[in-house]
Formats: sequence, structure tokens, C-alpha cells
Amino acid sequence: DGGITQSPKYLFRKEGQNVTLSCEQNLNHDAMYWYRQDPGQGLRLIYYSQIVNDFQKGDIAEGYSVSREKKESFPLTVTSAQKNPTAFYLCASSIGPTGSNSPLHFGNGTRLTVT
Amino acid sequence: RKEVEQDPGPFNVPEGATVAFNCTYSNSASQSFFWYRQDCRKEPKLLMSVYSSGNEDGRFTAQLNRASQYISLLIRDSKLSDSATYLCVVNPSGNTPLVFGKGTRLSVIA
Repeated sequence: DGGITQSPKYLFRKEGQNVTLSCEQNLNHDAMYWYRQDPGQGLRLIYYSQIVNDFQKGDIAEGYSVSREKKESFPLTVTSAQKNPTAFYLCASSIGPTGSNSPLHFGNGTRLTVT
Repeated sequence: RKEVEQDPGPFNVPEGATVAFNCTYSNSASQSFFWYRQDCRKEPKLLMSVYSSGNEDGRFTAQLNRASQYISLLIRDSKLSDSATYLCVVNPSGNTPLVFGKGTRLSVIA
């Protein structure tokens, strides 16, 4: 079955450590996205990528980094510079480029807790 | 004015009721619109796209009003399983990512 896989589902880290969240898709989608969701809040865009080896900052990119070395993979690193990293992180993809009429398909998320 | 605005609710309705949500958007050039459903602590899932002519999928009807810049979602014969947060999503225009509203929470009560 095609889909988007995020791992792990739950992640615990100590403050000051970098952590990388995995996102893999086998839908052959061009565009991939990372969102953050805090309790009772909407989704906020961190980074997105429309093509391999290219990505753009979203609304809240500070303290995060990404790479897009393969079409299938778009890992997100939460660095120690991110002041409030505890959140629910959602990866998504779309068949068409950003700005097309393509809806997003989401992975099942990674819940990161930093103490 | 925020790009996409929704009444956060919660809307508490009895089973079998009809309930409607609206979502307003600020950019008149917006091209595509969607409704997503998000269950507690889960990922959002596409419920339906919203077309200019309106569209219906079973008990769900979506409408677009470009003149007043809002989209609506109507749920007929509410089921307990409809309890969730409904997210309004808009493509503002051009080469920009989709913008999500903060969602409207629906609770269907037996």
C-alpha cells in the first residue's frame, strides 16, 4: 500500500540534543512538507520541498533543518536552537507542486517531547 | 484579517442533527479549497475538496461562496463517529503552500 511513514511515533529527548524525525513516502509525490501542531492550535508550516535537492522555509523554520536527497525522503532535524521543540510533527506530501490544486496527504505524525 | 478563519467551537449537537460550519478566507485570488477531518491526537485526513459548483459526498456537502469569500461544510444526520475537528484549508494563490485554519471542533452526543 502506498503511503507516508513517519517514525518514530513517540520520541523523547533531553534539552540541548539535536533530533531527526524521519519521513518516507512511496506515493511518487513531488512535494513534501513538514508541519508542527501544538495543543489546541492549527498546523504551522516549517519547511517544504518541491523537488529533490531543493527546499524552502515555511513560517517557523528557525531552529529546524531539512534535506531532500531522495524524492522519497524528507527528514527534519530539530536542533538545540529551537526554543520550544515539544510538539506534534506532521509530514505531508502532494502529487502536484505547491500552488497546484493537489491536496496534502499526511503521515501519522511524531510526537516529540523534550525535557 | 487572518488568511483562514474558523469558529473554534465546540459545536455540541445531538445524533441525527444537521450542523454547518463556515470558514472565511482573506485572499480573493484563492484557487482551491479543502475540508480535512482530524481526530484527537491523529493526523488530518482529507474529507473533501470544495468546487465552485459545490459538491456532495453522502451526508457531507461543501459549498464555496466567492463573493463573500467563505466555504461551508454541512453534515446531515450526524453520527457519533463524526465527532472530530474539521480543518478548512485554502490555497491562497500562486506558488504558495496551502494554509490551514485552526479548526472547528464538533462533538456529536448520543
